[in-house]
Amino acid sequence: DGGITQSPKYLFRKEGQNVTLSCEQNLNHDAMYWYRQDPGQGLRLIYYSQIVNDFQKGDIAEGYSVSREKKESFPLTVTSAQKNPTAFYLCASRPSGGETQYFGPGTRLLVL
Amino acid sequence: AQSVTQPDIHITVSEGASLELRCNYSYGATPYLFWYVQSPGQGLQLLLKYFSGDTLVQGIKGFEAEFKRSQSSFNLRKPSVHWSDAAEYFCAASGYDYKLSFGAGTTVTVRA
Repeated sequence: DGGITQSPKYLFRKEGQNVTLSCEQNLNHDAMYWYRQDPGQGLRLIYYSQIVNDFQKGDIAEGYSVSREKKESFPLTVTSAQKNPTAFYLCASRPSGGETQYFGPGTRLLVL
Repeated sequence: AQSVTQPDIHITVSEGASLELRCNYSYGATPYLFWYVQSPGQGLQLLLKYFSGDTLVQGIKGFEAEFKRSQSSFNLRKPSVHWSDAAEYFCAASGYDYKLSFGAGTTVTVRA
């Protein structure tokens, strides 16, 4: 069953802690994206990757880091430098040559 | 700057009534246009998309959207809403770089 999976569904971060959000896809898509969603603000692009071993900053990359070592995986690390990490995080992927992004179910990050 | 505007933050509609959600975009050229729907705590599901050709596009769940170049609009419509249509709706646009810009979203409440 093809799709995008994100784990965990809920994640709790303590002050000063780095946490990593998982995004995996078995759609054989080349491009992958991370978005942050805050109430009333729509979705904002954090990082994206068009191909393995390459990624670019989006509009709000400060305090986040990513890696793209495998085509199917694009983990996002929320570092301690991100002072307001509480949000809903969505991962998406897009096939090469296609215009449409498909989204995972999301991870909600909360700060303790 | 590229942007997408959804003028209505919240719309309440009676079950069985028609629904129209507004979307305006500001792009240098005609962008790729999308409507996504999000149920609470879930990811985004693609309703429909417009790239070129016929300006009236049909999507899933009985939704349609009309592209109007002269008004830079891509409004979403449904002739008769069901209680299950209560959700948040996002209009999005991208250029040839495939990076999506989202509107802030419109929350639809359906009353019995």
